[in-house]
Amino acid sequence: QQQVKQSPQSLIVQKGGISIINCAYENTAFDYFPWYQQFPGKGPALLIAIRPDVSEKKEGRFTISFNKSAKQFSLHIMDSQPGDSATYFCAGGMDSSYKLIFGSGTRLLVRP
Amino acid sequence: GAGVSQTPSNKVTEKGKYVELRCDPISGHTALYWYRQSLGQGPEFLIYFQGTGAADDSGLPNDRFFAVRPEGSVSTLKIQRTERGDSAVYLCASSLDGNTEAFFGQGTRLTVV
Repeated sequence: QQQVKQSPQSLIVQKGGISIINCAYENTAFDYFPWYQQFPGKGPALLIAIRPDVSEKKEGRFTISFNKSAKQFSLHIMDSQPGDSATYFCAGGMDSSYKLIFGSGTRLLVRP
Repeated sequence: GAGVSQTPSNKVTEKGKYVELRCDPISGHTALYWYRQSLGQGPEFLIYFQGTGAADDSGLPNDRFFAVRPEGSVSTLKIQRTERGDSAVYLCASSLDGNTEAFFGQGTRLTVV
């Protein structure tokens, strides 16, 4: 009931392409769904987050699409750049930042 | 400080020893969290402090793990009788009030040999 399943495990995209990472959750009490970006040797950094009252949120090149009925959400990175190469984690939680349940991560490589 | 600071960055200890990991949250943040990240996995929740008190310690794996935050700022995660399975990166995060964005530190990489 607490799991957040993330796919794919790894992703290779050409510069300028679209990177898409998918997550599915089980706990219907979750009301906060953030995406974190993590570079090697660093802690995760919040990229973008969404709440279930909207189906899409866009910030620059990053868009979250949210499907409440399917209990799925995804991250789209438009015009992917080599600097976007990192590990991305989706998460779900209740009451915002408290006790987040993270997916297993997607290692993204953007080729120049 | 400018961000969440964790010390040490790396810690190697022998099986059975006691270790302390320190977290300095962002100044003014009342909420503090500890997570553990094993290799190739996402962070796993350990404990949440609101002020000085542990509001939720349900993620601590067993009674060898303990955390304190005596003055509502710096927190220390304490691990007794370390085991090789405790090897992981221990992440600390803080947020203004528990209902806003959590900012993570760079983590402490603990290796138990």
